[in-house]
Amino acid sequence: QQQVKQSPQSLIVQKGGIPIINCAYENTAFDYFPWYQQFPGKGPALLIAIRPDVSEKKEGRFTISFNKSAKQFSLHIMDSQPGDSATYFCAAAHGNQFYFGTGTSLTVIP
Amino acid sequence: DAGITQSPRHKVTETGTPVTLRCHQTENHRYMYWYRQDPGHGLRLIHYSYGVKDTDKGEVSDGYSVSRSKTEDFLLTLESATSSQTSVYFCAISFQRAFTDTQYFGPGTRLTVL
Repeated sequence: QQQVKQSPQSLIVQKGGIPIINCAYENTAFDYFPWYQQFPGKGPALLIAIRPDVSEKKEGRFTISFNKSAKQFSLHIMDSQPGDSATYFCAAAHGNQFYFGTGTSLTVIP
Repeated sequence: DAGITQSPRHKVTETGTPVTLRCHQTENHRYMYWYRQDPGHGLRLIHYSYGVKDTDKGEVSDGYSVSRSKTEDFLLTLESATSSQTSVYFCAISFQRAFTDTQYFGPGTRLTVL
């Protein structure tokens, strides 16, 4: 059973567009929600993370929106660039439980 | 890759043979993790360690064992490799807390079991 459901599986946008990746969870005990970015042949790297006491967090062009009542959170990439082409993973954690989503392959077309 | 090395980087082995993957860190971080990455599954936690000789199971621990005799090294052993264990294996480390803290990932080991 997938603890964190991520969609879409793949996404293609034009340069300057705003791709949105969505994640949903069931376990209300989760209290840490990071997003990781992974380039081919590399390990994932933390992009941005949020805790459930806030509804939005911005770091540069990356924004997490968090809806606690809906048990959903999403990643928005403003003014997307070809260099943002990568696979993005959401995750959720509490205590010694940690689960990744299945990943979204993003392609930004020049 | 935050002072994390994995060895070997690539390995091909046969079903039934034991395999050991090594993760080495130079950051003196307390927490270390082993994940496997498979298409359609994302990354799944195999085992993790919260200190020397202190380890615990993750989501997909069957068929794997780990050991941590020094802060800097975390070994993952496939006791008798099977084709279902063909995967890319990532080691990760974190400093202050397990899981609810930034995890830094190594470059990965691609393992093929024939």
